[in-house]
Amino acid sequence: AQKVTQAQTEISVVEKEDVTLDCVYETRDTTYYLFWYKQPPSGELVFLIRRNSFDEQNEISGRYSWNFQKSTSSFNFTITASQVVDSAVYFCALSVTNAGNMLTFGGGTRLMVKP
Amino acid sequence: DVKVTQSSRYLVKRTGEKVFLECVQDMDHENMFWYRQDPGLGLRLIYFSYDVKMKEKGDIPEGYSVSREKKERFSLILESASTNQTSMYLCASNRQGAVGYGYTFGSGTRLTVV
Repeated sequence: AQKVTQAQTEISVVEKEDVTLDCVYETRDTTYYLFWYKQPPSGELVFLIRRNSFDEQNEISGRYSWNFQKSTSSFNFTITASQVVDSAVYFCALSVTNAGNMLTFGGGTRLMVKP
Repeated sequence: DVKVTQSSRYLVKRTGEKVFLECVQDMDHENMFWYRQDPGLGLRLIYFSYDVKMKEKGDIPEGYSVSREKKERFSLILESASTNQTSMYLCASNRQGAVGYGYTFGSGTRLTVV
């Protein structure tokens, strides 16, 4: 069975601070995919990034960056110079090839960015 | 713009009522999913379907059933609603075999059972 843990339930920062959201996953599969989604107050899940288990290269997209480390089963997400519009719930998720395409989600981290 | 549409944004039902939550996708996706979202628990899979009339139980199927009579529509049914089913319900879809790709989510239905 798969499991995703987001230990931080809520984080509050002041605008322009950097913030890292932690994600730890468990799976016995060697082929898997990791995701981050953003859920703004409107409710719809917005896809941010997907990584496969064979690609440990870190990725940067504007103010967002992701650190994937198989050795520690972690896939952490950093927002640099946070903005009020970054306030949302962020979910880390895992999908494995032999589990019917479903996503296993972590409990989510609510990020509040104050002006 | 591709879409997953959930028929109701907010719903209030009474205990014991039969409740239907509807989800329609316009992407010709084979796979469709129903998740329940609760604070601190994230999204948990209730049921999924990989083809018309096919369904599989997810992690928390108790108290729910589903129907998939047409490829584009996946309905979640609460046979007899209870207060512990008050939650946000999210529908999603993706293409068969596209593991790790192209999940599209609806905006959610916030159900309150009183």
